Amino acid sequence: DQQVKQNSPSLSVQEGRISILNCDYTNSMFDYFLWYKKYPAEGPTFLISISSIKDKNEDGRFTVFLNKSAKHLSLHIVPSQPGDSAVYFCAASPIQGAQKLVFGQGTRLTINP
Amino acid sequence: KAGVTQTPRYLIKTRGQQVTLSCSPISGHRSVSWYQQTPGQGLQFLFEYFSETQRNKGNFPGRFSGRQFSNSRSEMNVSTLELGDSALYLCASSLGQGGFGYTFGSGTRLTVV
Repeated sequence: DQQVKQNSPSLSVQEGRISILNCDYTNSMFDYFLWYKKYPAEGPTFLISISSIKDKNEDGRFTVFLNKSAKHLSLHIVPSQPGDSAVYFCAASPIQGAQKLVFGQGTRLTINP
Repeated sequence: KAGVTQTPRYLIKTRGQQVTLSCSPISGHRSVSWYQQTPGQGLQFLFEYFSETQRNKGNFPGRFSGRQFSNSRSEMNVSTLELGDSALYLCASSLGQGGFGYTFGSGTRLTVV
């Protein structure tokens, strides 16, 4: 039972344009959401998070949007840069501070020059 | 400060054998969590240790076990290896107060032949 789903295994975007990565979840108990970025041969690194009391959180070129009624979140990267090419995972937990995260399958983002 | 160190980086084992993976957390971090990453499945939570006690457990068979030592270093063991256990095993350490503070290691790539 995949409680967090990233339905696009891969995404290709031109440099300078907007990248939009999507994530859906089924468990209404999830209250805190995170995005991680992973380069090959490295562990995932934290990118940005959002709590369910918000619908948007922004950090530089990265913005996460949360639609609780649709159980959907998205990560926007503007403008996309070649260094953004990586695998992106969304993750969810019932509370901020939980040590057990439920991850999606990941989306491989490729930024083309 | 030093990051999360996982050893070994790569491992090849034969079906039926057992394996032990090691994780040294960031100094001062008392929580260590383990995840299994396989293609198409994302990261799946194995277990979390805090102050030498297993605090959370995922849905993996009893062949997967772990422990944590007084210096917070952790080991996970997989007995009677199966081909399906081939994966990247990631550990993450934190102070223990939240997924937000997770720092992942680079992982151990286990191949079972």
